[in-house]
Amino acid sequence: AQSVSQHNHHVILSEAASLELGCNYSYGGTVNLFWYVQYPGQHLQLLLKYFSGDPLVKGIKGFEAEFIKSKFSFNLRKPSVQWSDTAEYFCAVINTGGFKTIFGAGTRLFVKA
Amino acid sequence: KAGVTQTPRYLIKTRGQQVTLSCSPISGHRSVSWYQQTPGQGLQFLFEYFSETQRNKGNFPGRFSGRQFSNSRSEMNVSTLELGDSALYLCASSFLGTGQETQYFGPGTRLLVL
Repeated sequence: AQSVSQHNHHVILSEAASLELGCNYSYGGTVNLFWYVQYPGQHLQLLLKYFSGDPLVKGIKGFEAEFIKSKFSFNLRKPSVQWSDTAEYFCAVINTGGFKTIFGAGTRLFVKA
Repeated sequence: KAGVTQTPRYLIKTRGQQVTLSCSPISGHRSVSWYQQTPGQGLQFLFEYFSETQRNKGNFPGRFSGRQFSNSRSEMNVSTLELGDSALYLCASSFLGTGQETQYFGPGTRLLVL
């Protein structure tokens, strides 16, 4: 069965620190990958997505993610976090034509000012 | 363009009761997916509808059901509520529900079962 694993449930960083959130998935076929973010009190919204092509994708607010097919990973990165990045981050996978998105358990990021 | 709306926003029920939640997708979107969000579990896929047809479903008991109307609005129903059904229920919409589309999420309905 498909699954998505996010390595860290909680991450605490100081402003300007670098961020990397891990995401691994299990599925052998062609997949589409997403990172969503949920800021406090707000709806889930798309941060970035990967379908094909350049495995390094850039999203909003300076976030980027790298797809490494051989490792079934899609880690999220940001070189310098801000207090406003405090949120919960979800990695998600959907196989092409499957109509079923699988989300990871989420990582709560708290950035200290 | 209005976003995804869900009603009601909050609901308190007792064990054994049933509940119906509603979701109105973004205008023009025909795919609606439902998710259950609980602390530590993340979002778990319930089902997806397109043109009034359920195309996929998650691993939830038969007490969880849904439907979609011709105007793409969707409802989900949970019968014989259990304490463990307390969660935030999210609805998301997209144009066609293909794997390469962004899903747009609603604010959710927070259900508390006592």
